[in-house]
Amino acid sequence: DVKVTQSSRYLVKRTGEKVFLECVQDMDHENMFWYRQDPGLGLRLIYFSYDVKMKEKGDIPEGYSVSREKKERFSLILESASTNQTSMYLCATQGAGTEAFFGQGTRLTVV
Amino acid sequence: GENVEQHPSTLSVQEGDSAVIKCTYSDSASNYFPWYKQELGKRPQLIIDIRSNVGEKKDQRIAVTLNKTAKHFSLHITETQPEDSAVYFCAVDTGRRALTFGSGTRLQVQP
Repeated sequence: DVKVTQSSRYLVKRTGEKVFLECVQDMDHENMFWYRQDPGLGLRLIYFSYDVKMKEKGDIPEGYSVSREKKERFSLILESASTNQTSMYLCATQGAGTEAFFGQGTRLTVV
Repeated sequence: GENVEQHPSTLSVQEGDSAVIKCTYSDSASNYFPWYKQELGKRPQLIIDIRSNVGEKKDQRIAVTLNKTAKHFSLHITETQPEDSAVYFCAVDTGRRALTFGSGTRLQVQP
């Protein structure tokens, strides 16, 4: 059974904190992604990675960074959390041109 | 980059009726077109997909049609049931980047 696991379902952080969202996949896929989901805006791509230590900016990378030290793990980092980063964050993995599998999501609230 | 537009944003139908959701895209190199269903509080999951060399695909009550010339594809759900109520996302893959998602359609099936 496919597993994409995000470290937290719910997080509450204070403005200015550094926040780490972790994602682990057991599918041995090269491709991993971080999306942000907001009502009416769909899923917007923040960053993606095609290989270990490789990263590329998506459509909304400002205020975020990522780390991929191992193939199975892809971390999203909010360097200094702001209230406009309150959102649902979804990690995903995908084989080339095939179905994407999502984690359960992390609902982050920045106060 | 790729631009995907999805309509309508909300759709309410009576149980047993059909529902149609439409998406348009901009990049003619797009070659993979999946549809995801997201139930409340759950992760998006693939329900059907189609590749660029096929015009239509059907799986029981769900079908997808693709018009590459016009750059649009549609999801058709027949004989809708209350359990079809969810948010549906179309997506497009050019094979060069990550999936680009539409903004989502909230489908409500009234019993």
